[in-house]
Amino acid sequence: GAVVSQHPSWVICKSGTSVKIECRSLDFQATTMFWYRQFPKQSLMLMATSNEGSKATYEQGVEKDKFLINHASLTLSTLTVTSAHPEDSSFYICSARQGMAEAFFGQGTRLTVV
Amino acid sequence: GENVEQHPSTLSVQEGDSAVIKCTYSDSASNYFPWYKQELGKRPQLIIDIRSNVGEKKDQRIAVTLNKTAKHFSLHITETQPEDSAVYFCAASSGGNYQLIWGAGTKLIIKP
Repeated sequence: GAVVSQHPSWVICKSGTSVKIECRSLDFQATTMFWYRQFPKQSLMLMATSNEGSKATYEQGVEKDKFLINHASLTLSTLTVTSAHPEDSSFYICSARQGMAEAFFGQGTRLTVV
Repeated sequence: GENVEQHPSTLSVQEGDSAVIKCTYSDSASNYFPWYKQELGKRPQLIIDIRSNVGEKKDQRIAVTLNKTAKHFSLHITETQPEDSAVYFCAASSGGNYQLIWGAGTKLIIKP
């Protein structure tokens, strides 16, 4: 199947700093990319949906100035957690779709803010 | 907007028995229903999906049924094995922005 690569797999950062997470579709053009946050033993919480070349659509309660999403090309989307705080510590995972085809997930990023 | 409910939250079955997980959705325009399996610490992976023009789909021990009138779809796993233990998520999607609305997940435990 298609491959979505997400980096880094884990990151530890100091409170107040920013962290960028990359999501790449390696062998298909991702017309839509999704960013999720997953708490332990819970479902996937959609943060935002992004289409290539346009602004991301954020879900209610997600601060767009804190979680910056860029979908600059059909194969790359980035999520930047700005001014990170301990409560931002979580598992972030992206997925990518081409049209209405199957969604493929990245391997996720474990963010720990200390 | 779309809302997906998934039951049960935890399901424990004896190895070799069948497991059934059910989801309901609210938006009659939804036309794509995938099921994903997520093992601990790993990414969700698609195990089977169904589109609204089909009532049932089967792939070896896994099957999905869709009832558009009642707006519910179910995952059936037969002859369960220890490696089936995982969290299973259902989702629904309509044509709009290709967004997937997720169920809350079901933790499936296969007892030896």
